[in-house]
Amino acid sequence: GNSVTQMEGPVTLSEEAFLTINCTYTATGYPSLFWYVQYPGEGLQLLLKATKADDKGSNKGFEATYRKETTSFHLEKGSVQVSDSAVYFCALSWGSARQLTFGSGTQLTVLP
Amino acid sequence: GAVVSQHPSRVICKSGTSVKIECRSLDFQATTMFWYRQFPKQSLMLMATSNEGSKATYEQGVEKDKFLINHASLTLSTLTVTSAHPEDSSFYICSASMGRGDEQYFGPGTRLTVT
Repeated sequence: GNSVTQMEGPVTLSEEAFLTINCTYTATGYPSLFWYVQYPGEGLQLLLKATKADDKGSNKGFEATYRKETTSFHLEKGSVQVSDSAVYFCALSWGSARQLTFGSGTQLTVLP
Repeated sequence: GAVVSQHPSRVICKSGTSVKIECRSLDFQATTMFWYRQFPKQSLMLMATSNEGSKATYEQGVEKDKFLINHASLTLSTLTVTSAHPEDSSFYICSASMGRGDEQYFGPGTRLTVT
């Protein structure tokens, strides 16, 4: 079946540090890959996505590249801010209705 | 655009009672809605997929007679937890999409506590 394995947290960084959150997946076919972010007290928001191999999704300084050969979609940001503190979920979509399968989530805390 | 609301945001009910949670797409027509359950410090687990006007498709292990889903219009889906028990306490999240293959937009979630 389809699954997403995500780096366990929590992750605590100082402001302006480099961020990497690892994500690998197992899927049949050719899924689309996503990163969602959940800020405290809010619903999930799409951060970025990639729909085919070698695509790079980017938004708000975050980037992730769809690597088919390593079945990975690692999230990176060169310089994190306090406002980036949130829970980050890696996900893949599958099926005719494009259901989502989520990773376990990674809590990121950025300290000033 | 693409805002999804849920009501209520929090509910506390007694064991054995039923609770209804509403999910609305405020500014678009949602042909497909999804219901998820999220346990503390864990990921979202898909419970069911519903298309407007048809029966929901439940994921393996989800009791369809316990978690009743109705998607009667293109802007509203409801999840009713029947005869709730403390183990049903969780965070329930809905999402909506405009059609097959489209992005899902998530509601803010409903915290259910069964005492």
